[in-house]
Amino acid sequence: NAGVTQTPKFRILKIGQSMTLQCTQDMNHNYMYWYRQDPGMGLKLIYYSVGAGITDKGEVPNGYNVSRSTTEDFPLRLELAAPSQTSVYFCASSYSPPTDYSNQPQHFGDGTRLSIL
Amino acid sequence: QKEVEQDPGPLSVPEGAIVSLNCTYSNSAFQYFMWYRQYSRKGPELLMYTYSSGNKEDGRFTAQVDKSSKYISLFIRDSQPSDSATYLCATVRDSNYQLIWGAGTKLIIKP
Repeated sequence: NAGVTQTPKFRILKIGQSMTLQCTQDMNHNYMYWYRQDPGMGLKLIYYSVGAGITDKGEVPNGYNVSRSTTEDFPLRLELAAPSQTSVYFCASSYSPPTDYSNQPQHFGDGTRLSIL
Repeated sequence: QKEVEQDPGPLSVPEGAIVSLNCTYSNSAFQYFMWYRQYSRKGPELLMYTYSSGNKEDGRFTAQVDKSSKYISLFIRDSQPSDSATYLCATVRDSNYQLIWGAGTKLIIKP
């Protein structure tokens, strides 16, 4: 059981380049999330999805795009990379919304460390 | 004012000590509270989940919520070097079910 798998683990981009961060889960979870974590800061929600074909913005969506064509996959697209997007990106999934995490907790991947120079 | 405040530490204690980690929050409407543990270069994992006020115990870990003072705590008894990690508190915004996170406290348990 792989859980949540993120690729790549590390990446260096030049300013203005674009890339896609991949996330896949094998737990048949409806809810999927993308967060970014900056040093000394809590996680910030970028985008989330409550099921295939349904996505919505989080706190910090500017500069990012997502799609959810299948239950398993939730890729995050960076267009025109900027230094402010240097961060660690975490994908997560859950069976239930946060109000029911006592029974069905949210699972995180191990992150993608992205540097934009 | 941040919705959830947490001292980033680091907090360094000797093995076997009782550890107290704390967060404060600003909105009295918050009802669900969580503690996550994050090891270096890993994603967070849910450690404790509580609803409303009171205590919840799981092995060496106790989560406590005081809604009157908007204060949440995590206590670790008989701390072990393997408890060395960053501990993040989080709560849920009712309007959209999004998690609001503290900055995390780095805990170091010295053998």
